[in-house]
Amino acid sequence: GENVEQHPSTLSVQEGDSAVIKCTYSDSASNYFPWYKQELGKRPQLIIDIRSNVGEKKDQRIAVTLNKTAKHFSLHITETQPEDSAVYFCAATAGDTGRRALTFGSGTRLQVQP
Amino acid sequence: DTAVSQTPKYLVTQMGNDKSIKCEQNLGHDTMYWYKQDSKKFLKIMFSYNNKELIINETVPNRFSPKSPDKAHLNLHINSLELGDSAVYFCASSPPWDTEAFFGQGTRLTVV
Repeated sequence: GENVEQHPSTLSVQEGDSAVIKCTYSDSASNYFPWYKQELGKRPQLIIDIRSNVGEKKDQRIAVTLNKTAKHFSLHITETQPEDSAVYFCAATAGDTGRRALTFGSGTRLQVQP
Repeated sequence: DTAVSQTPKYLVTQMGNDKSIKCEQNLGHDTMYWYKQDSKKFLKIMFSYNNKELIINETVPNRFSPKSPDKAHLNLHINSLELGDSAVYFCASSPPWDTEAFFGQGTRLTVV
């Protein structure tokens, strides 16, 4: 099955700096790579995703890059703000529609210092 | 107009008891899941149902039994609860045309 590794486990940045979180996956058939943000005591919520036919995707201060050959993908947050503080999860999935489940990385706790 | 809702939000119970967590989604999705999030925040798939059919059953003790009466509901019944079952359990759903998972608010289960 799929195995997703994520690092770093914790990341502390100053407000306004950039943050980068990296993930690798094992199953070359994986074709969907979402990123979820989980605030304390809340549910995980999708912030951005990328599919295997795209190398990069950007949404305002958030961007994701995918390197299929190396089987890794990264989340980039620019101009970080205190409200970006949360746990971020990468995930990957493969398989037929309706028979998929996301395999999550172990999470990165991002702390943005004001 | 909550999309994926779980009940209860908190559940405190004694070892050996049997308990159920209910999940409902009003998004018209075909696929529903149960995920377990432990104290270290690892999110792990437990079960997946597609149109009431069990698709994924990870290495979960058979004390855990999911039930899907229809494609909008996926309940989780746990027998003979153990201390190690303490965790947050998330229900989720996704549409047939995509894989984005929409999560419920979670049920924090504490076994004492």
